[in-house]
Amino acid sequence: NAGVTQTPKFRVLKTGQSMTLLCAQDMNHEYMYWYRQDPGMGLRLIHYSVGEGTTAKGEVPDGYNVSRLKKQNFLLGLESAAPSQTSVYFCASSHGGNQPQHFGDGTRLSIL
Amino acid sequence: QQPVQSPQAVILREGEDAVINCSSSKALYSVHWYRQKHGEAPVFLMILLKGGEQKGHEKISASFNEKKQQSSLYLTASQLSYSGTYFCGTETGGYQKVTFGIGTKLQVIP
Repeated sequence: NAGVTQTPKFRVLKTGQSMTLLCAQDMNHEYMYWYRQDPGMGLRLIHYSVGEGTTAKGEVPDGYNVSRLKKQNFLLGLESAAPSQTSVYFCASSHGGNQPQHFGDGTRLSIL
Repeated sequence: QQPVQSPQAVILREGEDAVINCSSSKALYSVHWYRQKHGEAPVFLMILLKGGEQKGHEKISASFNEKKQQSSLYLTASQLSYSGTYFCGTETGGYQKVTFGIGTKLQVIP
């Protein structure tokens, strides 16, 4: 059972570069989430999706875009990376909003 | 708005008990609890739903006081494996997303 898979696991970018983080789940979950985790800040929701073709903003959406073209995939894009976006990014999925969330192993992103 | 967790950190000896509190300024529909070990992903512990009963998971249980907009996580007879950061997440309507607190770091020592 793969569960939730995030790629890549590590990445170093230069300021201004762009990149896409991929999240894939094989549990047929409707809901998917992108969080960022910074020291002392907990998990903060960036964007989320309640079904294929839908997306919505979370607490800290600025500087990020997302797409959910297929039910199993949720992509997080950084169009012009900034040092403030250095963080650990977690993807999660669930059957619904009041159901357990299953997290991926995270992506460590450093922006120089 | 992030729920407030207390304490921020706690150190226990094996076998001791601990309580972690989570409070919200908004009415709660559900409260989620997760544990994260260093360098790993958060792992689900339990969900408490509005109108639901106290939940239990081995020696870890939780309560949900809707009137006070609070939840508490109880860890009894702690084990070394309980070490980690505990997050509460609150859902305040719509059943779409959860807002997490900043976490409580718990360390169990021999």
